[in-house]
Amino acid sequence: AQKVTQAQTEISVVEKEDVTLDCVYETRDTTYYLFWYKQPPSGELVFLIRRNSFDEQNEISGRYSWNFQKSTSSFNFTITASQVVDSAVYFCALRDPWQAAGNKLTFGGGTRVLVKP
Amino acid sequence: EAQVTQNPRYLITVTGKKLTVTCSQNMNHEYMSWYRQDPGLGLRQIYYSMNVEVTDKGDVPEGYKVSRKEKRNFPLILESPSPNQTSLYFCASSLSKLTSGGNEQFFGPGTRLTVL
Repeated sequence: AQKVTQAQTEISVVEKEDVTLDCVYETRDTTYYLFWYKQPPSGELVFLIRRNSFDEQNEISGRYSWNFQKSTSSFNFTITASQVVDSAVYFCALRDPWQAAGNKLTFGGGTRVLVKP
Repeated sequence: EAQVTQNPRYLITVTGKKLTVTCSQNMNHEYMSWYRQDPGLGLRQIYYSMNVEVTDKGDVPEGYKVSRKEKRNFPLILESPSPNQTSLYFCASSLSKLTSGGNEQFFGPGTRLTVL
């Protein structure tokens, strides 16, 4: 069975500090997909990034960067120079395309990020 | 605009009063599913549908029903709501896994349900 753990329930920082969100996953399959979603106070889910298990190249997109390490089953997310608008709950999710439930996403419990001015 | 819509967005009801939360997508997606979000638990899948007339239980199906009579619609039915079903509900849709394994799921805006 798949499992996603986000050990940090809440992180509070002052604006311009960097924030790293941890995500550790468990799956028995060799092919899988990892996602990060952002949920701002308004409640909707905003897709941030998708990574497949064969692509360990880390990525930077603006102030966001992702560190995928298959050896440690981790898919961490960093916000550089945080801003107040980054305040949200961030979810890490795993998808195993071979499971019976098809496109089901297994989510971590979420990490609430509070960026203070 | 490609989107998933849910109605209502907010609902307060009482124990035992049947309700339906509608979900509709305009992207011709085969796969649709319902999740509930609870603090500290993230989102958990309630039911999913691979295509019209094909539905199956997710991880937390107790107390819920669904139907998929049309490709675009996937309503969530609570026949006899109870307070432990107070939650934030999300509908999601995507292409089937047969077309693309890592395809993105599109989420609706959420329905906040309170059962008194």
